[in-house]
Amino acid sequence: SAVISQKPSRDICQRGTSLTIQCQVDSQVTMMFWYRQQPGQSLTLIATANQGSEATYESGFVIDKFPISRPNLTFSTLTVSNMSPEDSSIYLCSVDGGGDYEQYFGPGTRLTVT
Amino acid sequence: GEDVEQSLFLSVREGDSSVINCTYTDSSSTYLYWYKQEPGAGLQLLTYIFSNMDMKQDQRLTVLLNKKDKHLSLRIADTQTGDSAIYFCAVAGNNRKLIWGLGTSLAVNP
Repeated sequence: SAVISQKPSRDICQRGTSLTIQCQVDSQVTMMFWYRQQPGQSLTLIATANQGSEATYESGFVIDKFPISRPNLTFSTLTVSNMSPEDSSIYLCSVDGGGDYEQYFGPGTRLTVT
Repeated sequence: GEDVEQSLFLSVREGDSSVINCTYTDSSSTYLYWYKQEPGAGLQLLTYIFSNMDMKQDQRLTVLLNKKDKHLSLRIADTQTGDSAIYFCAVAGNNRKLIWGLGTSLAVNP
Protein backbone atom coordinates (compact mmCIF):
# COMPACT_ATOMS: atom_id res chain seq x y z
CA SER A 1 0.00 0.00 0.00
CA ALA A 2 1.01 3.62 -0.49
CA VAL A 3 1.59 6.05 2.36
CA ILE A 4 0.45 9.55 1.55
CA SER A 5 1.10 12.74 3.47
CA GLN A 6 -0.45 16.14 2.97
CA LYS A 7 0.60 19.59 4.12
CA PRO A 8 -0.85 21.55 5.73
CA SER A 9 -3.27 19.41 7.68
CA ARG A 10 -5.49 22.41 8.25
CA ASP A 11 -5.50 26.14 7.67
CA ILE A 12 -7.68 29.16 8.19
CA CYS A 13 -7.36 31.66 5.36
CA GLN A 14 -8.78 35.02 4.50
CA ARG A 15 -11.04 35.64 1.56
CA GLY A 16 -9.15 36.56 -1.61
CA THR A 17 -5.92 34.79 -0.70
CA SER A 18 -4.51 31.53 -2.10
CA LEU A 19 -3.35 28.32 -0.44
CA THR A 20 -1.13 25.61 -1.87
CA ILE A 21 -1.61 22.07 -0.60
CA GLN A 22 1.16 19.53 -0.99
CA CYS A 23 0.77 15.79 -1.46
CA GLN A 24 3.72 13.42 -1.06
CA VAL A 25 3.65 9.68 -1.71
CA ASP A 26 6.22 7.20 -0.46
CA SER A 27 6.43 5.40 -3.81
CA GLN A 28 6.15 6.24 -7.49
CA VAL A 29 2.56 6.18 -8.71
CA THR A 30 1.07 6.68 -12.11
CA MET A 31 -2.17 8.43 -11.25
CA MET A 32 -2.81 11.08 -8.62
CA PHE A 33 -6.15 12.71 -7.99
CA TRP A 34 -7.43 15.70 -6.06
CA TYR A 35 -10.83 15.58 -4.38
CA ARG A 36 -12.94 17.97 -2.37
CA GLN A 37 -15.25 16.94 0.46
CA GLN A 38 -17.55 19.70 1.58
CA PRO A 39 -19.00 19.55 5.09
CA GLY A 40 -21.33 16.60 5.47
CA GLN A 41 -21.00 15.69 1.81
CA SER A 42 -19.42 13.02 -0.29
CA LEU A 43 -16.28 13.45 -2.33
CA THR A 44 -16.10 15.30 -5.61
CA LEU A 45 -13.22 14.81 -8.01
CA ILE A 46 -11.52 18.08 -8.90
CA ALA A 47 -8.88 16.87 -11.32
CA THR A 48 -6.41 14.19 -12.28
CA ALA A 49 -2.81 15.31 -11.83
CA ASN A 50 -0.75 14.14 -14.80
CA GLN A 51 3.02 13.89 -14.57
CA GLY A 52 4.71 16.08 -17.14
CA SER A 53 1.52 17.57 -18.57
CA GLU A 54 -1.44 19.69 -17.58
CA ALA A 55 -3.98 18.34 -15.15
CA THR A 56 -7.31 17.07 -16.43
CA TYR A 57 -10.16 18.94 -14.76
CA GLU A 58 -13.67 17.72 -14.08
CA SER A 59 -16.74 19.66 -15.04
CA GLY A 60 -17.16 22.69 -12.82
CA PHE A 61 -13.48 23.03 -11.95
CA VAL A 62 -11.01 25.22 -13.85
CA ILE A 63 -7.27 25.63 -13.91
CA ASP A 64 -7.35 29.30 -12.96
CA LYS A 65 -9.11 28.51 -9.70
CA PHE A 66 -7.36 25.22 -8.91
CA PRO A 67 -3.91 25.14 -10.53
CA ILE A 68 -2.18 21.79 -10.08
CA SER A 69 1.42 20.77 -10.43
CA ARG A 70 2.85 17.25 -10.80
CA PRO A 71 6.61 17.59 -11.19
CA ASN A 72 7.36 13.90 -10.60
CA LEU A 73 5.78 10.54 -9.79
CA THR A 74 5.69 11.07 -6.01
CA PHE A 75 4.57 14.66 -5.54
CA SER A 76 1.74 17.02 -6.48
CA THR A 77 0.36 20.36 -5.36
CA LEU A 78 -3.12 21.85 -5.54
CA THR A 79 -3.58 25.60 -5.17
CA VAL A 80 -6.93 27.05 -4.18
CA SER A 81 -6.86 30.56 -5.63
CA ASN A 82 -8.74 33.72 -4.74
CA MET A 83 -10.57 31.90 -1.97
CA SER A 84 -14.11 32.53 -0.83
CA PRO A 85 -16.02 30.97 2.10
CA GLU A 86 -17.57 28.51 -0.38
CA ASP A 87 -14.11 26.96 -0.78
CA SER A 88 -14.15 25.83 2.86
CA SER A 89 -13.75 22.10 2.54
CA ILE A 90 -11.50 19.15 3.10
CA TYR A 91 -9.15 18.65 0.17
CA LEU A 92 -7.84 15.15 -0.36
CA CYS A 93 -5.13 13.72 -2.50
CA SER A 94 -5.41 10.14 -3.68
CA VAL A 95 -3.22 7.80 -5.65
CA ASP A 96 -3.92 4.83 -7.80
CA GLY A 97 -1.67 1.90 -7.13
CA GLY A 98 -1.92 0.89 -10.77
CA GLY A 99 -1.49 -2.83 -10.88
CA ASP A 100 -3.32 -3.61 -7.67
CA TYR A 101 -6.37 -1.44 -8.44
CA GLU A 102 -6.40 0.03 -4.96
CA GLN A 103 -6.83 3.75 -4.43
CA TYR A 104 -5.36 5.29 -1.33
CA PHE A 105 -6.09 8.63 0.24
CA GLY A 106 -4.06 11.16 2.12
CA PRO A 107 -5.29 12.42 5.50
CA GLY A 108 -6.77 15.55 3.93
CA THR A 109 -6.34 19.28 4.37
CA ARG A 110 -9.13 21.02 6.23
CA LEU A 111 -9.50 24.52 4.83
CA THR A 112 -11.61 27.24 6.40
CA VAL A 113 -12.02 30.53 4.55
CA THR A 114 -13.20 33.52 6.56
CA GLY B 1 -24.32 11.13 -15.44
CA GLU B 2 -23.17 8.34 -13.21
CA ASP B 3 -24.81 8.08 -9.82
CA VAL B 4 -24.17 6.09 -6.66
CA GLU B 5 -26.82 5.86 -3.97
CA GLN B 6 -26.68 4.71 -0.37
CA SER B 7 -29.03 4.92 2.56
CA LEU B 8 -27.82 7.63 4.91
CA PHE B 9 -28.15 5.96 8.29
CA LEU B 10 -27.97 2.50 9.84
CA SER B 11 -28.19 1.60 13.51
CA VAL B 12 -27.32 -1.85 14.87
CA ARG B 13 -26.67 -3.49 18.21
CA GLU B 14 -23.18 -4.55 19.14
CA GLY B 15 -22.60 -8.14 18.09
CA ASP B 16 -25.21 -8.09 15.32
CA SER B 17 -24.38 -8.06 11.62
CA SER B 18 -24.56 -4.80 9.67
CA VAL B 19 -25.48 -4.68 6.01
CA ILE B 20 -24.82 -1.49 4.09
CA ASN B 21 -26.30 -1.26 0.62
CA CYS B 22 -25.30 0.67 -2.46
CA THR B 23 -26.74 0.98 -5.96
CA TYR B 24 -25.04 2.48 -8.98
CA THR B 25 -26.13 3.40 -12.47
CA ASP B 26 -23.05 2.99 -14.65
CA SER B 27 -22.99 -0.54 -16.01
CA SER B 28 -19.38 -0.09 -17.13
CA SER B 29 -18.22 0.20 -13.52
CA THR B 30 -15.35 -2.19 -13.21
CA TYR B 31 -13.96 -1.54 -9.74
CA LEU B 32 -16.22 -1.18 -6.72
CA TYR B 33 -14.90 0.00 -3.38
CA TRP B 34 -15.90 0.39 0.23
CA TYR B 35 -14.20 3.07 2.31
CA LYS B 36 -14.53 3.87 6.00
CA GLN B 37 -14.26 7.36 7.44
CA GLU B 38 -14.14 7.87 11.17
CA PRO B 39 -14.87 11.31 12.67
CA GLY B 40 -12.02 13.71 11.93
CA ALA B 41 -10.03 11.00 10.19
CA GLY B 42 -9.08 10.21 6.63
CA LEU B 43 -10.55 7.64 4.28
CA GLN B 44 -9.57 4.05 4.88
CA LEU B 45 -9.91 1.57 2.05
CA LEU B 46 -11.76 -1.42 3.50
CA THR B 47 -12.12 -3.65 0.51
CA TYR B 48 -12.88 -3.68 -3.18
CA ILE B 49 -14.33 -6.06 -5.73
CA PHE B 50 -14.07 -6.40 -9.48
CA SER B 51 -17.17 -6.46 -11.63
CA ASN B 52 -16.49 -10.06 -12.70
CA MET B 53 -16.83 -11.26 -9.09
CA ASP B 54 -19.99 -12.02 -7.10
CA MET B 55 -18.55 -12.08 -3.64
CA LYS B 56 -15.42 -11.28 -1.68
CA GLN B 57 -14.79 -12.12 1.95
CA ASP B 58 -12.11 -10.63 4.16
CA GLN B 59 -12.31 -11.54 7.85
CA ARG B 60 -15.49 -9.89 9.20
CA LEU B 61 -16.27 -8.18 5.89
CA THR B 62 -18.28 -9.71 3.07
CA VAL B 63 -18.94 -7.86 -0.16
CA LEU B 64 -21.73 -9.02 -2.45
CA LEU B 65 -22.17 -7.77 -6.00
CA ASN B 66 -25.30 -8.20 -8.09
CA LYS B 67 -24.16 -6.84 -11.41
CA LYS B 68 -27.53 -7.33 -13.08
CA ASP B 69 -29.23 -5.10 -10.50
CA LYS B 70 -26.15 -2.87 -10.08
CA HIS B 71 -26.30 -3.49 -6.35
CA LEU B 72 -23.36 -3.73 -3.98
CA SER B 73 -23.50 -4.56 -0.30
CA LEU B 74 -21.07 -4.66 2.59
CA ARG B 75 -21.77 -6.99 5.47
CA ILE B 76 -19.90 -6.54 8.74
CA ALA B 77 -20.18 -9.56 10.99
CA ASP B 78 -20.14 -9.20 14.79
CA THR B 79 -20.32 -5.43 14.60
CA GLN B 80 -18.34 -3.63 17.29
CA THR B 81 -18.53 -0.07 18.63
CA GLY B 82 -15.24 0.60 16.84
CA ASP B 83 -17.07 0.02 13.56
CA SER B 84 -19.10 3.19 14.09
CA ALA B 85 -18.17 5.42 11.15
CA ILE B 86 -19.36 6.61 7.77
CA TYR B 87 -19.06 4.00 5.04
CA PHE B 88 -18.70 5.17 1.45
CA CYS B 89 -19.41 3.14 -1.63
CA ALA B 90 -17.43 4.22 -4.70
CA VAL B 91 -17.27 2.84 -8.23
CA ALA B 92 -14.85 3.38 -11.09
CA GLY B 93 -14.51 2.40 -14.70
CA ASN B 94 -11.28 1.83 -16.56
CA ASN B 95 -10.37 5.50 -16.18
CA ARG B 96 -10.07 4.84 -12.43
CA LYS B 97 -12.02 8.00 -11.55
CA LEU B 98 -14.12 7.27 -8.49
CA ILE B 99 -17.81 8.15 -8.33
CA TRP B 100 -18.95 8.32 -4.71
CA GLY B 101 -22.11 7.71 -2.77
CA LEU B 102 -23.08 10.11 -0.01
CA GLY B 103 -22.03 7.68 2.69
CA THR B 104 -23.92 5.60 5.26
CA SER B 105 -23.48 6.60 8.87
CA LEU B 106 -23.31 3.42 10.95
CA ALA B 107 -24.15 3.70 14.64
CA VAL B 108 -23.37 0.72 16.83
CA ASN B 109 -25.26 0.62 20.10
CA PRO B 110 -23.90 -1.29 23.10
